[in-house]
Amino acid sequence: EAQVTQNPRYLITVTGKKLTVTCSQNMNHEYMSWYRQDPGLGLRQIYYSMNVEVTDKGDVPEGYKVSRKEKRNFPLILESPSPNQTSLYFCASSLSGTSSREQYFGPGTRLTVT
Amino acid sequence: AQTVTQSQPEMSVQEAETVTLSCTYDTSESDYYLFWYKQPPSRQMILVIRQEAYKQQNATENRFSVNFQKAAKSFSLKISDSQLGDAAMYFCAYTPLWSNTGKLIFGQGTTLQVKP
Repeated sequence: EAQVTQNPRYLITVTGKKLTVTCSQNMNHEYMSWYRQDPGLGLRQIYYSMNVEVTDKGDVPEGYKVSRKEKRNFPLILESPSPNQTSLYFCASSLSGTSSREQYFGPGTRLTVT
Repeated sequence: AQTVTQSQPEMSVQEAETVTLSCTYDTSESDYYLFWYKQPPSRQMILVIRQEAYKQQNATENRFSVNFQKAAKSFSLKISDSQLGDAAMYFCAYTPLWSNTGKLIFGQGTTLQVKP
């Protein structure tokens, strides 16, 4: 089954404690993105990757890091989480080029930073 | 800047009736895609319908259809014969055809309540 998986689904942590949210896709997609969803703001892109070892900032990258060492995996790293990073996070993947542009989303990770 | 605006934070509809959710966008691009995503309480993002800007014909998917007005930069979603399972948050999204970021630009979302 074609899918994007994220772990964990829920995470409660304290300010400053480094954490990683994993993302994996099994569709051989080139593009992968991380979004955060906040009330009244919709989803905003944090980082994206066009392929292995190619990543770049999205609209709200401050406080986040990513890596793309394998095509299927795109982890999101919060090295020193702060309460303003409390949010719902989605990983997404899509084919490159000018195809349908459909993005496949993971199930989401609810992060709370206290 | 490219933006997407959903001006209706909440909508409600009676079961079996029709409801229209509004979306406007701003772009200088001529080629792009527009999407409606559904987010039920499970939080999963589900693609409802897609429209290519170069196609004049409005997209339809079963009970879901869009009214795409390119000149007005408007992209509304019509849900016919509403069902209880349609209750969700709906997001309008845009992406330019020639994008190297894979980014979708989302609206703020509209929460749809379906009354039995």
